[in-house]
Amino acid sequence: DTGVSQDPRHKITKRGQNVTFRCDPISEHNRLYWYRQTLGQGPEFLTYFQNEAQLEKSRLLSDRFSAERPKGSFSTLEIQRTEQGDSAMYLCASSSGGAGELFFGEGSRLTVL
Amino acid sequence: QKEVEQNSGPLSVPEGAIASLNCTYSDRGSQSFFWYRQYSGKSPELIMFIYSNGDKEDGRFTAQLNKASQYVSLLIRDSQPSDSATYLCAVMNAGKSTFGDGTTLTVKP
Repeated sequence: DTGVSQDPRHKITKRGQNVTFRCDPISEHNRLYWYRQTLGQGPEFLTYFQNEAQLEKSRLLSDRFSAERPKGSFSTLEIQRTEQGDSAMYLCASSSGGAGELFFGEGSRLTVL
Repeated sequence: QKEVEQNSGPLSVPEGAIASLNCTYSDRGSQSFFWYRQYSGKSPELIMFIYSNGDKEDGRFTAQLNKASQYVSLLIRDSQPSDSATYLCAVMNAGKSTFGDGTTLTVKP
């Protein structure tokens, strides 16, 4: 069990560019979550999948954000036309269901210049 | 009003003391309740969860849940400097966990 892995760990981009993050969950976990965290705040829910189905997407999320989980394995989170306000740590977590405990990856830090 | 409220702290306790962390939530449909620890620059890691009213103990940690009062707490006994971190409370409903902004704990040697 290698845990949840995220790539890239750091991304610096210019405003207006598109970025994509990848998350590989713990292999036997069927649920995968994306959260965003800024300094001094708790993780903010973005979206989650059960297998390949996207079950919920935050209403706070603009149409510039899209996530996929093809074949119920890894997931990608794409941000189009990035803005400075998108600068944050993007956290991926997986869960086997159960009580709903989350296992987080190390995160992908995005800086938009 | 945020869905999950925590005192931001900082909370400072001496080594060996009991640290008490509190959390209130607004969604009465919440089913499971979690405490995560987050060291500076790291991602959150699960400490423990509780879903029934009462106390649940795991080593030096005790989680307490009162659904009628919509209140969750975490007690850390015999606090150690290595316990210094931000503690995040999370509540889950319909598969989605909502987090508070965390309480920063400092344990002084």
